[in-house]
Amino acid sequence: SQQGEEDPQALSIQEGENATMNCSYKTSINNLQWYRQNSGRGLVHLILIRSNEREKHSGRLRVTLDTSKKSSSLLITASRAADTASYFCATSSGAGSYQLTFGKGTKLSVIP
Amino acid sequence: EAQVTQNPRYLITVTGKKLTVTCSQNMNHEYMSWYRQDPGLGLRQIYYSMNVEVTDKGDVPEGYKVSRKEKRNFPLILESPSPNQTSLYFCATLPSSRGEQFFGPGTRLTVL
Repeated sequence: SQQGEEDPQALSIQEGENATMNCSYKTSINNLQWYRQNSGRGLVHLILIRSNEREKHSGRLRVTLDTSKKSSSLLITASRAADTASYFCATSSGAGSYQLTFGKGTKLSVIP
Repeated sequence: EAQVTQNPRYLITVTGKKLTVTCSQNMNHEYMSWYRQDPGLGLRQIYYSMNVEVTDKGDVPEGYKVSRKEKRNFPLILESPSPNQTSLYFCATLPSSRGEQFFGPGTRLTVL
């Protein structure tokens, strides 16, 4: 069953601008993760935020988590053409991260 | 180099012809999983394995089999493939109970 739902489905921005993607989910979670996928290739883990955390940073990435609203956002600052990819949120609800439930993704295009 | 490998990377086959997609990891991870990715549906989990000889169904297990006879390998078996199993398949591993998953490069399967 689909847990996370990303919004928007597609986003097009100019290089240097910030990109914000949102994820909503339905049930309580242990953690939420964001992954990036370049066209047709494997997913690469970006960042994990636990349910007791509210914000996390990694380089140009900032993730927030609001468990009361069951939502998360991924902010990419000062975007680059190389950030062009699809971004997925994935939630883990069980005892560990054994079962991840992915959203359908946001397709980000960064125009040089 | 730590990696997850899948073979074959591309496969075109016909309905009913049994096939196996292999997944191998060199990171000594206990947990391994298979996903399929379809346009508009995101990634859905097929099967997962928490350790040798321990496997369990994910969200979409129908039409698939798996086995985990050794830690490094987790093959996905399609006994009688059908066109609705045409998809992009990913194997993933997990080093600990609450961390990121590492994805293989994907296998694009077409069933005619």
